[in-house]
Amino acid sequence: AQSVTQLGSHVSVSEGALVLLRCNYSSSVPPYLFWYVQYPNQGLQLLLKYTSAATLVKGINGFEAEFKKSETSFHLTKPSAHMSDAAEYFCAVSESGTASKLTFGTGTRLQVTL
Amino acid sequence: EAGVAQSPRYKIIEKRQSVAFWCNPISGHATLYWYQQILGQGPKLLIQFQNNGVVDDSQLPKDRFSAERLKGVDSTLKIQPAKLEDSAVYLCASSNTGGASYNEQFFGPGTRLTVL
Repeated sequence: AQSVTQLGSHVSVSEGALVLLRCNYSSSVPPYLFWYVQYPNQGLQLLLKYTSAATLVKGINGFEAEFKKSETSFHLTKPSAHMSDAAEYFCAVSESGTASKLTFGTGTRLQVTL
Repeated sequence: EAGVAQSPRYKIIEKRQSVAFWCNPISGHATLYWYQQILGQGPKLLIQFQNNGVVDDSQLPKDRFSAERLKGVDSTLKIQPAKLEDSAVYLCASSNTGGASYNEQFFGPGTRLTVL
């Protein structure tokens, strides 16, 4: 069975500071990994995905994540936070293959302060 | 390209009433998913369709929840009778089985259900 653990349900950073959101996964087969962002009263939007190609994945809005198999991690980073980054972020895992279901973490709410 | 459409956006009902949600996936997407997102939690898969066939409904409470995807396009999710613990956002997503967006799920805005 696959699972995802997101450390820290709330993270607060100052505008311009580094953003680091942590995600560890468990999967019995090579995983596909995803980060989604959810703004209030909206659906989920894909930030980036890892599908067994390059281990450093770049996404939208300046975010990137690095797949580290030895640490079973897929942490999300952004060098400089912007007020518009305030949202809920979800890490998700699926088994490599055709249209497999996603298993989501519990989410991390990012707060950006002035 | 139009995204995943869902309606209604909000619904308030009393317990033991019934409710239905509608989803229209992205054109050409064969796979459709319904997720339940309880406040403070990540989305949980309820049911997955491939065209008009069910692939996975292992987490669907079948005594009260039902879903169908006639003709392999639109889908409806029904709850009858509703319980207080069904209060959540119900998200619909769709995905393609090939191309550049392979294995990527696209989500609709969700339907927020409040059961009183």
